[in-house]
Amino acid sequence: EVQLLESGGGLVQPGGSLRLSCAASGYTFSTYAINWVRQAPGKGLEWVSGISAGGDNTYYADSVKGRFTISRDNSKNTLFLQMNSLRAEDTAVYYCAKALWDLWGRGTLVSVSS
Amino acid sequence: QAVVTQEPSLTVSPGGTVTLTCGSSTGTVTSGHYPYWFQQKPGQAPRTLIYDTSNRHSWTPARFSGSLLGGKAALTLSGAQPEDEADYYCLLSYSASKVFGGGTKLTVL
Repeated sequence: EVQLLESGGGLVQPGGSLRLSCAASGYTFSTYAINWVRQAPGKGLEWVSGISAGGDNTYYADSVKGRFTISRDNSKNTLFLQMNSLRAEDTAVYYCAKALWDLWGRGTLVSVSS
Repeated sequence: QAVVTQEPSLTVSPGGTVTLTCGSSTGTVTSGHYPYWFQQKPGQAPRTLIYDTSNRHSWTPARFSGSLLGGKAALTLSGAQPEDEADYYCLLSYSASKVFGGGTKLTVL
């Protein structure tokens, strides 16, 4: 089955860190770029970060630049998002989405609160 | 970072036609922004309807169409069905980044 499955979300204090994972299956992961998108409770979608197929090029929204790091392990068909210096406004469901946007995961909830 | 604007809400009658638009703070939206349109229903992940301005995926009902209209990207729904009630988001690409619009809540009533 072609799918993306996020994990690693949870409750973290402001200033803390969290690492999200996105496991891909059913397609050739190493062939496609992939993105992270988030959605705060009751709000719209926000593109967070993207990475090229080989991992050489990374891109970030201004809101997370310098705090979040995207990476991938093509040997394990897995995408990562290292989130540092977390703020309350980072609270959201985080989705991974394949380039061409034809495949999305179900999301993982990150809550930043003391 | 650019700002992408959409109508906050629209209402369409069953069987009716409605057009949602997607504008950019940087100026005219072109095919070079590779406009995408997504549908999201409560509690679900988004689903792509239209890619690269006007291309439908295999799962996209033919009643949805994409275009460029008056300097914006547009999504037209012709023959609205009750199941089309949802939030709709556009996405534009700007070289190294991508920006979603704020979304349009479409009511079929």
